[in-house]
Amino acid sequence: DVVMTQTPPSLSVAIGQSVSISCKSSQSLVYSDGKTYLHWLLQSPGRSPKRLIYQVSNLGSGVPDRFSGTGSQKDFTLKISRVEAEDLGVYYCAQTTHFPDTFGAGTKLELK
Amino acid sequence: EVQLVESGGGLVQPGRSLKLSCAASGFTFSNYGMHWIRQAPTKGLEWVASISPSGGSTYYRDSVKGRFTISRDNAKSTLYLQMDSLRSEDTATYYCAMSRYFDYWGQGVMVTVSS
Repeated sequence: DVVMTQTPPSLSVAIGQSVSISCKSSQSLVYSDGKTYLHWLLQSPGRSPKRLIYQVSNLGSGVPDRFSGTGSQKDFTLKISRVEAEDLGVYYCAQTTHFPDTFGAGTKLELK
Repeated sequence: EVQLVESGGGLVQPGRSLKLSCAASGFTFSNYGMHWIRQAPTKGLEWVASISPSGGSTYYRDSVKGRFTISRDNAKSTLYLQMDSLRSEDTATYYCAMSRYFDYWGQGVMVTVSS
């Protein structure tokens, strides 16, 4: 299985601060169609996960442009500019390039 | 508005069965692959099973193969997960999720396997 390694495990931030989360995969996530199926999810406290970004850098519907995703092959980053209170929770990266689908362990974003 | 609503969870003894349902609305259900993903208490996300849009292809994680069966009824826009021979390690919140891009998730349903 593809191992997804997220760092850091937790982040303590002040409102308005910018943060980055890293996600590294044990194999390249480029599929045979040339696309990279790496996605970012946010699980707010007590809620189900919500998809933020798909295929590395595409913002989901209704997701603020404070969120951005970059990366390629095995190395990916989620950046949140100007953190707001509603951004707190656990962020997961997920890959659906290789069977089985796998997830990172999560990065918990908390208020400082 | 896309909605995925799971049901069928509960407390069950080890070795018994349970069937989860996920009622979909707001999109053309028969056009999308669907997944079941679970989250044990205080843990991360774990893919369980997937099914193709037609239902002709199904995929399972090794630990549930032979015990769980994913299926769908496109006429009813409903996804199912039949869980047999349940074990304590199957205790989790189970989510249904839409498409290879995890576009939408349900609210989740809790399954507790305990004597």
